[in-house]
Amino acid sequence: DVKVTQSSRYLVKRTGEKVFLECVQDMDHENMFWYRQDPGLGLRLIYFSYDVKMKEKGDIPEGYSVSREKKERFSLILESASTNQTSMYLCASSSNGQGAPEQYFGPGTRLTVT
Amino acid sequence: QKEVEQNSGPLSVPEGAIASLNCTYSDRGSQSFFWYRQYSGKSPELIMSIYSNGDKEDGRFTAQLNKASQYVSLLIRDSQPSDSATYLCAVNPDYKLSFGAGTTVTVRA
Repeated sequence: DVKVTQSSRYLVKRTGEKVFLECVQDMDHENMFWYRQDPGLGLRLIYFSYDVKMKEKGDIPEGYSVSREKKERFSLILESASTNQTSMYLCASSSNGQGAPEQYFGPGTRLTVT
Repeated sequence: QKEVEQNSGPLSVPEGAIASLNCTYSDRGSQSFFWYRQYSGKSPELIMSIYSNGDKEDGRFTAQLNKASQYVSLLIRDSQPSDSATYLCAVNPDYKLSFGAGTTVTVRA
């Protein structure tokens, strides 16, 4: 079974703090993704990575950065947290194998910025 | 036009009935199609994938794909209260996925 884990299920941070969200997958997947999910807005892609040290912006990268130093680990960084970044953050991974790149999700981190 | 559109919910069905969920997509180059189930407060869980036209059955779930009409659907037969969740349609025009907004299904006993 594919396993994607995220460092925290719930996180409360103060405005202006630097926040690190970590994601680890154990299936040797090439691709990793960070989404945020908000009521009424659905899943929105923040950043993704298709290889170590490679990253590409998704639909809403502003206010975020990412790091992928090892294949199994993909970190999302909020440089200076703001209240509008309160959300559910979901990490996912997929392979480059033949056929469909199904994405498998971690359990999510519910971040509250006060 | 949104890339992936799902029929608006919520959808309420009696226990034992068939729940029918619809999804249309705009990118004709899409090759892979997925249905995810998401319980409240949880992350999406992959329940079905389909790649070629026609039907694909897995237990009580049947996915149907019609690429000419750019349409994919999910049928849930013999609906159970445990099927109450939001169902997300996802389409991949490339190695990213485009998600629909989801349809919330409530199965009433």
